[in-house]
Amino acid sequence: DAGVIQSPRHEVTEMGQEVTLRCKPISGHNSLFWYRQTMMRGLELLIYFNNNVPIDDSGMPEDRFSAKMPNASFSTLKIQPSEPRDSAVYFCASSLTGTGSTDTQYFGPGTRLTVL
Amino acid sequence: TQLLEQSPQFLSIQEGENLTVYCNSSSVFSSLQWYRQEPGEGPVLLVTVVTGGEVKKLKRLTFQFGDARKDSSLHITAAQTGDTGLYLCAGARGFVGVRYALNFGKGTSLLVTP
Repeated sequence: DAGVIQSPRHEVTEMGQEVTLRCKPISGHNSLFWYRQTMMRGLELLIYFNNNVPIDDSGMPEDRFSAKMPNASFSTLKIQPSEPRDSAVYFCASSLTGTGSTDTQYFGPGTRLTVL
Repeated sequence: TQLLEQSPQFLSIQEGENLTVYCNSSSVFSSLQWYRQEPGEGPVLLVTVVTGGEVKKLKRLTFQFGDARKDSSLHITAAQTGDTGLYLCAGARGFVGVRYALNFGKGTSLLVTP
């Protein structure tokens, strides 16, 4: 079975450019999570969706970040305009939510973003 | 503010040694999960503990959830080079599926050398 798919795996861009990260969750999963990982701050939850609806976006750093989930099989995280401090590894994870806090999240391989 | 503090931050040991890493918080969690992350990959779930005082074993790995559900430990017996990786703990604070979110610690980076 295919796991969570993320693209691109690596992205290098210049400050001020728009960046779009993509995620395809595991088929049948109804929750999707976007995380950011840096050495300084560790793994931080940015936003999560349940049944394609954003439930909690309190982790989104600022208005430059936006996320969408137009259908159950696709989500995007957009940064516009990008800044050097956005450089990090961005992970997408999905889960089948139904049993509460013991749900297993399956992570994708991540997108390593470098903003010059 | 980091909700979950993991220690040590880095650990380098030789094959065959035992080790324990810790995950501490002042908050109570409904459950706590441990993940292992290898370079260039996403975290992979190892175990979920739910009940205060619970102990779970996964081969050479032993996980314990504190009685007050505020802390946890991971003990590895006779470490192997394949145990190398970043060990992350993550606590969930809610009970209702659609409202919970995981809070991750920064992790313990473990290097096991031959």
